[in-house]
Amino acid sequence: DAKTTQPPSMDCAEGRAANLPCNHSTISGNEYVYWYRQIHSQGPQYIIHGLKNNETNEMASLIITEDRKSSTLILPHATLRDTAVYYCIVSGSYNTDKLIFGTGTRLQVFP
Amino acid sequence: EPEVTQTPSHQVTQMGQEVILRCVPISNHLYFYWYRQILGQKVEFLVSFYNNEISEKSEIFDDQFSVERPDGSNFTLKIRSTKLEDSAMYFCASSAEAGGSYNEQFFGPGTRLTVL
Repeated sequence: DAKTTQPPSMDCAEGRAANLPCNHSTISGNEYVYWYRQIHSQGPQYIIHGLKNNETNEMASLIITEDRKSSTLILPHATLRDTAVYYCIVSGSYNTDKLIFGTGTRLQVFP
Repeated sequence: EPEVTQTPSHQVTQMGQEVILRCVPISNHLYFYWYRQILGQKVEFLVSFYNNEISEKSEIFDDQFSVERPDGSNFTLKIRSTKLEDSAMYFCASSAEAGGSYNEQFFGPGTRLTVL
């Protein structure tokens, strides 16, 4: 599975957009970019995933560059409850479905 | 909204004892997983399970570990002889499908295992 690189921490003001970057320069053609988050010590929570097109759901938007070597997760209006560790995971090889978590980005939303 | 449940929420055991961690995955899901997270460290994959057999396991998942789906609803992780280094949060997850674009895994709240 391709390795991902994320900044260790970011801050965001409540109500503003949080833009979390991820580099995955070794991603292969059939691999997807997944985003999960972990609030305090709770179980990880799925947010969104994509292959090459931009994706949006009720939680977030995912922007993937044309060369697929990087992506950005956007929380359009961050709230205090969005404070969490966000993980960018490349997955989707057809012979494995395990998720490989890195250290993620610790997002702190402040009032 | 359906969710994965885990029991107990906290388990304390003596080194060398056997523990069984229990999980009830989402009812129509077919793929089941265990992960663990040592305090302050990354979430680590342990094992995946499908069609009543292990489909993949990590190096951590040695002979001391086993998984079972004893009935149609429960999914268990057994540690035969616990070690101090097994102290961690153990997360169960399930998914309806797997691989490719279907790797949306739903995680339970975790069982905190403390080995004394």
